[in-house]
Amino acid sequence: EAQVTQNPRYLITVTGKKLTVTCSQNMNHEYMSWYRQDPGLGLRQIYYSMNVEVTDKGDVPEGYKVSRKEKRNFPLILESPSPNQTSLYFCASSSVDRGVGETQYFGPGTRLLVL
Amino acid sequence: AQSVTQLGSHVSVSEGALVLLRCNYSSSVPPYLFWYVQYPNQGLQLLLKYTTGATLVKGINGFEAEFKKSETSFHLTKPSAHMSDAAEYFCAVSEYAGGDMRFGAGTRLTVKP
Repeated sequence: EAQVTQNPRYLITVTGKKLTVTCSQNMNHEYMSWYRQDPGLGLRQIYYSMNVEVTDKGDVPEGYKVSRKEKRNFPLILESPSPNQTSLYFCASSSVDRGVGETQYFGPGTRLLVL
Repeated sequence: AQSVTQLGSHVSVSEGALVLLRCNYSSSVPPYLFWYVQYPNQGLQLLLKYTTGATLVKGINGFEAEFKKSETSFHLTKPSAHMSDAAEYFCAVSEYAGGDMRFGAGTRLTVKP
């Protein structure tokens, strides 16, 4: 089954304790992206990656890091989480082939609470 | 850069009534346009998309949307609302395949019995 998986689904942590949210896709997609969803703001892009070892900032990259060492994985790293990073996070992937890859497929989401 | 505006953060309709969710976009090139639906405690599911060709796009669950270039709009409609349509709906725009996607703030649809 084609899917995007995220782990963990729920996470409670404390300010300053480094954490990683994993994202994996099994569709051989080149493009992967992280979003955060906050009430009244919709989804805002944090980082994206067009392919292995190619990453770039989205609209709200401050406080986050990513890496793309393998095509299928795109982890999101919070080196020193703060309460304003409490949010719902979504990973997404898509192909870059024109006519095929317009649709982004989303993971189930990771709800993060930073105390 | 492209952007999306969804008019109305909350829309309430009666069961059986017309659903109309509004979306306007800005883009410097012919856009790809999407509607996603998010049910409570779930991820985003694609409802429909416009890439090229026919401007009236039909999606799942009886929804459809019409791309109107002159109005820079991509409004979502459904002739008859069902209780199961209650969810949050997001309009999104992208300027190229596999590219940067921008989302609107979302519209929460409530369906009254």
